[in-house]
Amino acid sequence: DAGVIQSPRHEVTEMGQEVTLRCKPISGHNSLFWYRQTMMRGLELLIYFNNNVPIDDSGMPEDRFSAKMPNASFSTLKIQPSEPRDSAVYFCASSLDLGQGAYEQYFGPGTRLTVT
Amino acid sequence: AQSVTQPDIHITVSEGASLELRCNYSYGATPYLFWYVQSPGQGLQLLLKYFSGDTLVQGIKGFEAEFKRSQSSFNLRKPSVHWSDAAEYFCAVGSLSSGYALNFGKGTSLLVTP
Repeated sequence: DAGVIQSPRHEVTEMGQEVTLRCKPISGHNSLFWYRQTMMRGLELLIYFNNNVPIDDSGMPEDRFSAKMPNASFSTLKIQPSEPRDSAVYFCASSLDLGQGAYEQYFGPGTRLTVT
Repeated sequence: AQSVTQPDIHITVSEGASLELRCNYSYGATPYLFWYVQSPGQGLQLLLKYFSGDTLVQGIKGFEAEFKRSQSSFNLRKPSVHWSDAAEYFCAVGSLSSGYALNFGKGTSLLVTP
């Protein structure tokens, strides 16, 4: 059974360019999460969706970041324009929420983003 | 405020020795508790979870954890560490009132020496 799939695995881009990260959650899961991991700040929740609807985007650092989930099997995280301080590993995770609180999340392998 | 604390940033143990990684939480509601492991360059993998019932839970790879409500702790243990256990370990906490989100600790880096 396929886990959470993220692409690309590595992305190197120049400051000012647009970056799009992609995620395919586990089939049947109805919650999706985007995280950012850095040495300084650890693992930060950026946004999460439930049934394709954004529930909480308070972790999105600024307007340069946006996320969409057009259907149950696909989500994107876009950074435009990118800046060097956006360099981090971005994880997507999914879970099956049965309406009874926080369930275990399954993580993808991450996208390592480097902005020069 | 809800918080998760992993007091040890780094831990070094000898192969074959026992291991205990600490996790303390501060939550107003009954917590749901998780331990994840992250190998270098990889995503986070769920080791074990506690929702209710028996406070000693077994996980994958020979790990176990014990929920102690009186101490607000959920420490991870393994009786005999293998070199392949070297990784970063994260404790995470959620609750019915927190909705979907999990609150992750800063992580503990485990080094295993021969």
